Amino acid sequence: GEDVEQSLFLSVREGDSSVINCTYTDSSSTYLYWYKQEPGAGLQLLTYIFSNMDMKQDQRLTVLLNKKDKHLSLRIADTQTGDSAIYFCAESPFSSNTGKLIFGQGTTLQVKP
Amino acid sequence: EAQVTQNPRYLITVTGKKLTVTCSQNMNHEYMSWYRQDPGLGLRQIYYSMNVEVTDKGDVPEGYKVSRKEKRNFPLILESPSPNQTSLYFCASSLLAEQETQYFGPGTRLLVL
Repeated sequence: GEDVEQSLFLSVREGDSSVINCTYTDSSSTYLYWYKQEPGAGLQLLTYIFSNMDMKQDQRLTVLLNKKDKHLSLRIADTQTGDSAIYFCAESPFSSNTGKLIFGQGTTLQVKP
Repeated sequence: EAQVTQNPRYLITVTGKKLTVTCSQNMNHEYMSWYRQDPGLGLRQIYYSMNVEVTDKGDVPEGYKVSRKEKRNFPLILESPSPNQTSLYFCASSLLAEQETQYFGPGTRLLVL
């Protein structure tokens, strides 16, 4: 089946690194995504990783993919108060053939000054 | 500016009163879809469209209709809204269903009394 799981809450201090974890079930997923949702706003695509990659770095963001364990993580270096938001992990199951994204429940990141 | 727009952004209505939420994209995308976001459940796909006049059900289509008469527009229709359709709705589009980047609209918050 299709399922994406995330922890619901993470609290860090400003300047620390944040690591948000996600597990997924569909090994056919072509792409895996991280979206950010700020309060009252829509979904912003932060980054994505193709399923044949292990790691992708984009400025302060590092995505790690462990295909064997079906585990995806997002590391935010030097976390700022502006990073406070809900972060959604999502997969794009190739097997569904519908373009559907399967989202996790979202992790609320709280950054304390 | 490339974007997905939704209207209205906020709507309060009563049970049984038909409503339409519009979605429009200016990127000539073939693929469009609708999601609803509920606390603790992430986003779930309602309907999707591969191209003009081609639509299909997602995971939670009950109580909703869509149409795709033009490439740029993909309205979501609630013929007889009920309180369990109170939610945050997102429209999304991408060039193709397999495209790595899906663009999301700003969301429509609906309250059905």
